[in-house]
Amino acid sequence: AQTVTQSQPEMSVQEAETVTLSCTYDTSESDYYLFWYKQPPSRQMILVIRQEAYKQQNATENRFSVNFQKAAKSFSLKISDSQLGDAAMYFCAYRSAGDSSYKLIFGSGTRLLVRP
Amino acid sequence: EPEVTQTPSHQVTQMGQEVILRCVPISNHLYFYWYRQILGQKVEFLVSFYNNEISEKSEIFDDQFSVERPDGSNFTLKIRSTKLEDSAMYFCASRGMRSTEAFFGQGTRLTVV
Repeated sequence: AQTVTQSQPEMSVQEAETVTLSCTYDTSESDYYLFWYKQPPSRQMILVIRQEAYKQQNATENRFSVNFQKAAKSFSLKISDSQLGDAAMYFCAYRSAGDSSYKLIFGSGTRLLVRP
Repeated sequence: EPEVTQTPSHQVTQMGQEVILRCVPISNHLYFYWYRQILGQKVEFLVSFYNNEISEKSEIFDDQFSVERPDGSNFTLKIRSTKLEDSAMYFCASRGMRSTEAFFGQGTRLTVV
């Protein structure tokens, strides 16, 4: 079974600085998707960024980028120029490409605090 | 922008009572999901639903749980006889036919007392 591990329960960053959130996963599959979701105090789960395992290029969405290391099974999220609105819980998630249900397997989350 | 809507935002119920959590998925989506997040823990998959039937369910989704799409727009999760340990945030999600990702609602916080 696949597992997703987020070893940082909480991280803190100064506004305008850069922070990296860690995520590792365990799978025997070669084709899968990885996601980072943001859960602000409003509780809604918002997709931040997605990475296809077959793509070597790291995904980027504006200030958000990932460092995908397939061999190491690592998928970290880098937030550049941190803003107060980035404060939230961040969940790393895995989805098997062969899973017809498209269900997500989540990590335990990292709470990001942004200091003004 | 279309979104998944869940009601109510917070429900308090007595142990042993039935509760129905409601979700309105994005209108052209065909795949529907329920996830659960116990306070302070990870988000867990409960069930996926497609073509009016369950396509997959987790070990958590036992006989106390059921899902239904009663009218073509709503997608409901029913817990027949709630237990204290059912207290959690419940998230509904939906996905379009060609989409690789699901869109989540804002969640319903269920408190069983």
